[in-house]
Amino acid sequence: GNSVTQMEGPVTLSEEAFLTINCTYTATGYPSLFWYVQYPGEGLQLLLKATKADDKGSNKGFEATYRKETTSFHLEKGSVQVSDSAVYFCALSESGGGADGLTFGKGTHLIIQP
Amino acid sequence: DAGVIQSPRHEVTEMGQEVTLRCKPISGHDYLFWYRQTMMRGLELLIYFNNNVPIDDSGMPEDRFSAKMPNASFSTLKIQPSEPRDSAVYFCASSSRQGALNSPLHFGNGTRLTVT
Repeated sequence: GNSVTQMEGPVTLSEEAFLTINCTYTATGYPSLFWYVQYPGEGLQLLLKATKADDKGSNKGFEATYRKETTSFHLEKGSVQVSDSAVYFCALSESGGGADGLTFGKGTHLIIQP
Repeated sequence: DAGVIQSPRHEVTEMGQEVTLRCKPISGHDYLFWYRQTMMRGLELLIYFNNNVPIDDSGMPEDRFSAKMPNASFSTLKIQPSEPRDSAVYFCASSSRQGALNSPLHFGNGTRLTVT
């Protein structure tokens, strides 16, 4: 079956540091890949997505590149801010993009210190 | 767009009591999902509906859990009787028939349930 594996948290960084959150996946076909973010006290919201190999998704300074050869979709940001503190979820969808097919990772808690 | 609305935000109840969680999806969305989030298990899909019809309830933990969607603008998740291990944050989410590529999941702010 499908699965998503994320690095264990929490990840603690200082403001303006470089961020990488690792995500690898297992899928039987050619999935679409997503990063969702959950701010304290809120539900998840879509951060970025990539639908095919070598696509790069980007939003709010975050980027992730769909790497089929390494089955990875690592999240990066060049300079993090305190406001980026949140839980980040990697997810995949293999059902032609249908929302019913989303598989989430367990989430990585990011803490940015001023 | 008011977003997905869940109520209550917090619920504290005693073991054995019935708990009802409520959700109003975004107008026009025809998929509705119930998720449960815990530290140990992460985010788990419990059940989802399409056009008010339950499609997959394989994630519902046991018969104590039930969900209904009587119309396109309202869904409930009921736990009866509740147990301490049901303590979690329960999320409702909705999306349109275009699916995750063009219409990602929109989540409510969740209901934090504590069963003592």
